[in-house]
Amino acid sequence: EVQLLESGGGLVQPGGSLRLSCAASGFTFSNYAMSWLRQAPGKGLEWVSVITNGGSTYYADSVKGRFTISRDNSKSTVYLQMHSLRDEDTALYYCAKDQWEFFYWGQGTLVTVSS
Amino acid sequence: EIVLTQSPDFQSVTPKEKVTITCRASQSTGTSLHWYQQKPDQSPKLLIKYASQSISGVPSRFSGSGSGTDFTLTINSLEAEDAATYYCHQTSSFQYTFGQGTKLEIK
Repeated sequence: EVQLLESGGGLVQPGGSLRLSCAASGFTFSNYAMSWLRQAPGKGLEWVSVITNGGSTYYADSVKGRFTISRDNSKSTVYLQMHSLRDEDTALYYCAKDQWEFFYWGQGTLVTVSS
Repeated sequence: EIVLTQSPDFQSVTPKEKVTITCRASQSTGTSLHWYQQKPDQSPKLLIKYASQSISGVPSRFSGSGSGTDFTLTINSLEAEDAATYYCHQTSSFQYTFGQGTKLEIK
């Protein structure tokens, strides 16, 4: 059974940093791209970033230069390092398996950017 | 960036009714357009991939059609459990984008 478990969310001040983790199980992690998406409170879905199985990375313009996605295949974990956080980054952050259509999602980890 | 515009934003429907949600793209996405259902406090659920391909475990009353810039999600014989917000999502080109969502309320 595929499972995705996000962690690392919390309250951070504007300009601060946070690192999210997503621990995966139930599939051969190294064979798949992994994605991060987010949803601001009461708002719609937004794609954030993807890392392919080969390590190529892509970002939404809204986070480019501030967020870094990475993966550790030995730990079956994908990370999202977030710097220079802004109020508008407040959201529930989901990780999802694959690059294009997302059948498997985690439950999300909440990031709140506020002073 | 490809902008996806869904219509309607909100619809109140009765059980057994047929529902159609449309998604229009600002430029062609081919068939790289997927549909998700999200219920309150739940993660999104993939309903349809690549415009019209069904997903294992998704009831057959959900279907998708379209290509290029115009897409449709159809729910035949709506059930009470279909109350949710529905999103289209394009993966034709970076930046991947979502529609603004269509909220379905069951009367």
